[in-house]
Amino acid sequence: NAGVTQTPKFRVLKTGQSMTLLCAQDMNHEYMYWYRQDPGMGLRLIHYSVGEGTTAKGEVPDGYNVSRLKKQNFLLGLESAAPSQTSVYFCASSGQGAGNQPQHFGDGTRLSIL
Amino acid sequence: AQSVTQLGSHVSVSEGALVLLRCNYSSSVPPYLFWYVQYPNQGLQLLLKYTSAATLVKGINGFEAEFKKSETSFHLTKPSAHMSDAAEYFCAVSSSGGSYIPTFGRGTSLIVHP
Repeated sequence: NAGVTQTPKFRVLKTGQSMTLLCAQDMNHEYMYWYRQDPGMGLRLIHYSVGEGTTAKGEVPDGYNVSRLKKQNFLLGLESAAPSQTSVYFCASSGQGAGNQPQHFGDGTRLSIL
Repeated sequence: AQSVTQLGSHVSVSEGALVLLRCNYSSSVPPYLFWYVQYPNQGLQLLLKYTSAATLVKGINGFEAEFKKSETSFHLTKPSAHMSDAAEYFCAVSSSGGSYIPTFGRGTSLIVHP
């Protein structure tokens, strides 16, 4: 049972480069989320999706774009990477249940921007 | 609006001692509350959740939490700490009437001394 799988696990970029982080879930969940985790800041929501074809901005969306073309996949893009985007990125999914469903997390992508 | 405050970014206990991690929430509607644990280089895992049933909630690994509406608290406890409990712990709040997107606290790092 894979759950939530994030690809890649590690990546180093140069300032200005672009990349896409992939999140895949096999639990048929409606909701998917992208967070970043920085020391002392907890988890901050970047973007989320409540279903296939829908996306919405979270707390810190600037510099990121997302797409949810298939229910099981949620992609996070960095168009022009900046050192401030160095972080650990987590994807999560949850079932439809108006807030009472727990989130299932991937193991993270550690991204460094030089 | 909803928010979570975790008191103490670090908590240090001796092996065998009581673990108490504090979480206070703010929500304009009845909340759903969650505790997650994060081990090094892993994603978050659900420990337990409160969804308006019993106010004392039992979770995995011997942890439990009590929902106290009058104190707007959801503190996490464990009678006897093990070395394997050393991890980062996150409290989160969501709701059905307000934002079903969870809000996370900044986390508390539990340190267990032999």
